[in-house]
Parts: sequence; structure tokens; C-alpha cells
Amino acid sequence: DSGVTQTPKHLITATGQRVTLRCSPRSGDLSVYWYQQSLDQGLQFLIQYYNGEERAKGNILERFSAQQFPDLHSELNLSSLELGDSALYFCASSLTGTSVTYEQYFGPGTRLTVT
Amino acid sequence: TQLLEQSPQFLSIQEGENLTVYCNSSSVFSSLQWYRQEPGEGPVLLVTVVTGGEVKKLKRLTFQFGDARKDSSLHITAAQPGDTGLYLCAGPYASGGSYIPTFGRGTSLIVHP
Repeated sequence: DSGVTQTPKHLITATGQRVTLRCSPRSGDLSVYWYQQSLDQGLQFLIQYYNGEERAKGNILERFSAQQFPDLHSELNLSSLELGDSALYFCASSLTGTSVTYEQYFGPGTRLTVT
Repeated sequence: TQLLEQSPQFLSIQEGENLTVYCNSSSVFSSLQWYRQEPGEGPVLLVTVVTGGEVKKLKRLTFQFGDARKDSSLHITAAQPGDTGLYLCAGPYASGGSYIPTFGRGTSLIVHP
């Protein structure tokens, strides 16, 4: 158990809908990262928050947004969902957001299926 | 274009065999991490290498960071079925004043009993 929790475990929704994925980092970790993993694209970095502020941004679509709250939990919002958004979404956390060692601890993931 | 190229993409071996998987880049990384991921689960951190030429051992797993810090390898001795999984290398890629966590596509390893 990494100490990172994600809810829900599974999510099935229709195209055009909006969903929210939730993540709680390990106790003491200040950074949260969001990733999308699909068979054809591998593990793709979406966005990082550090202590409530956006720190780095990857290939995140404009339809997707995230935030980190004062208690350090984070939410990833996906809107106007398309079939191609079906994937595993992982949250990870690390102690800092600036360490070059970048050791991350991953949650169990949310499997999103868009029908 | 992948910043971190992993090879081979797939590997299927018998229990007891040795194997090496590789992670290569044309860019210098300040560190590289290796993770193992099992189907439907999140990646689990195995090791971080920081110094060029560094070698780290984790039981039957040996990790090496290239002298130029552009490549790394993972060697498994006497593989066991429990080693089955997707092995990912990752590192912080400096871009636009921040570090972007970058992952390779992984090597999918199956160890048959």
C-alpha cells in the first residue's frame, strides 16, 4: 500500500458527460501528480500541483482541469468526455515538487470507461 | 518521439533465466527511477539512481546509471514468476523552468514457471 488513495476505483459514463476523480496523497507529501495511461500511449503526465499551486503541466487537454485543496487532496475534472478518454487515471504524490530525484508514490488508479 | 526509449518492449522467459532491460535517452537526466507495474495497479517505485556510473542492488535486481547519465539498465538474476510485470523507467525532464516527469513506454516481462 503506497498510502495514496484514489476514488472511485471504476467509473462508467457516457460521451459528453463530466466526471471528477479524487486523490489523497501520502501523509506529509506536498506534491500531487496526475497521469493518464492507455495501451497505445503509455503513462502520460498531465499536471502537477505543489502545496496548492500548479507546478508543471504536461499534455493535458483543455477539457481537463485539476486543483489541489488546502488539505492537499486533489481533484481531476474531465468534461465533454469522448470515447478516447477511456483510460486508467493515476494520481501520484511526492514529498517535494522540486527535488530532482522525483520519487513518486502512485495510487491504485481510476479506470474510466466512456461509452 | 519518446524522451526515454525502453528495450526490449516485450520479454518472455523461463524461471531461472537472467535478463537485462534498457532505458536510453539522447538527453541528460539528473536522476532516473525504475518502477514495476502489475496489471490494473499503480507503478511501484523500485529504485532511484542519481550519480553517473552508479550501481544499486535490490536483491536479485541490479540497476546501473550510465556514466553520461543518458541511459540506465536493469538486470534480473534468476528471474522468478513474481518478477512478472511492466518495468518503467522515468526521470525529471527540464523544460521551461520546471521539471516534467517523463516515463518510458516500458518493458513487459513475463516469467514462466
